[in-house]
Amino acid sequence: DGGITQSPKYLFRKEGQNVTLSCEQNLNHDAMYWYRQDPGQGLRLIYYSQIVNDFQKGDIAEGYSVSREKKESFPLTVTSAQKNPTAFYLCASRDRDSTGELFFGEGSRLTVL
Amino acid sequence: QQPVQSPQAVILREGEDAVINCSSSKALYSVHWYRQKHGEAPVFLMILLKGGEQKGHDKISASFNEKKQQSSLYLTASQLSYSGTYFCGTERDLNSGGYQKVTFGTGTKLQVIP
Repeated sequence: DGGITQSPKYLFRKEGQNVTLSCEQNLNHDAMYWYRQDPGQGLRLIYYSQIVNDFQKGDIAEGYSVSREKKESFPLTVTSAQKNPTAFYLCASRDRDSTGELFFGEGSRLTVL
Repeated sequence: QQPVQSPQAVILREGEDAVINCSSSKALYSVHWYRQKHGEAPVFLMILLKGGEQKGHDKISASFNEKKQQSSLYLTASQLSYSGTYFCGTERDLNSGGYQKVTFGTGTKLQVIP
């Protein structure tokens, strides 16, 4: 079955540690996105990538980094510079040749202790 | 710029109708609508493109007024399963081709009660 896989689903880290969230898709989609969700604030865009080896900052990129070395993979690193990293992180992808909808993964919940 | 959604929350009895609005101060290429249940990923409902259109999906439909850069989601004869948070996502019309970023509103929490 095609889809987007995020891992891990739950992650606990100590303050000051970098963490990397995985996002893999087998939908052959060109574009991939990372969103952060906090209670009552909706989804805020962190980074997005239109094509392999290219990505753009979203609205809240500070303290995060990404790479897009392969079409199917778009990992997100939450660095120690991110002041409040505890949140629900959602990865999504889309294909221009379809309806244009975003296909979301199941999310990763990061808690920094 | 984040689109503005209204209302922030609404409670309906089964069978009642609701309208959720989404507006932007910028020219839009598309408006997306998603529903999210607590702790789950958002689920796609529909997408509307510039040119002004309406779409229907069972008892859920939406419209996009390009002149006003506003979209409305219409939920008719609501069911318990309609409960959740509804988000609109907007994509600006930049005439630059390629994929643009999709920016979401803060959501409308809908609760349907028996």
